Amino acid sequence: SSELTQDPAVSVALGQTVRITCQGDSLRSYYASWYQQKPGQAPVLVIYGKNNRPSGIPDRFSGSSSGNTASLTITGAQAEDEADYYCNSRDSSGNHLYVFGTGTKVTVL
Amino acid sequence: EVQLVESGGGLVKPGGSLRLSCAASGFTFSSYSMNWVRQAPGKGLEWVSSISSSSSYIYYADSVKGRFTISRDNAKNSLYLQMNSLRAEDTAVYYCARSEGDYHSNWFDPWGQGTLVTVSS
Repeated sequence: SSELTQDPAVSVALGQTVRITCQGDSLRSYYASWYQQKPGQAPVLVIYGKNNRPSGIPDRFSGSSSGNTASLTITGAQAEDEADYYCNSRDSSGNHLYVFGTGTKVTVL
Repeated sequence: EVQLVESGGGLVKPGGSLRLSCAASGFTFSSYSMNWVRQAPGKGLEWVSSISSSSSYIYYADSVKGRFTISRDNAKNSLYLQMNSLRAEDTAVYYCARSEGDYHSNWFDPWGQGTLVTVSS
């Protein structure tokens, strides 16, 4: 199956901007979706498609894509944004239907 | 309110079986593909299996192929995962999730709260 690679951890000062990247061959063919997961909770969709936010997700979350890399940007990070973030896309290898990224732990300082 | 509620998790010995259920409410269940995603303790998310709205298309991760069976009952608004020949490495929280999208873009929303499966002697 394909792989989606993310940096294990990033930190951001309160109110500043952080970008989380996701790299993989599948992203040349498919858009990524992004999920936020806080400890002990189920994942929550934050970005899907080209750059769409579900209702209830703050507009400080945005997504973009170029080549084999998808990015999730948090502009003006808040304390409540501290969480694990996972990207996901269809699997271009043909073996699996979907693949998740390795996950990024975001710490808000 | 759109809601997914998993049940059926628990402690099982290696080689044993377990059947997970996911009860859906608040949307037309029969119109959506559904999925199981798991998360081992302290690890990341792993896609496990997907089933199309009418059960015509079914997919499995290599790690569970031949041991797990996904199914659904649209009349009961329910999704299932029959897990056989369980191994220690199947220990995880299992989430059900609804999927949406088209060929180039898919996403999972919402997710259930998860049910813990522990495989241990």
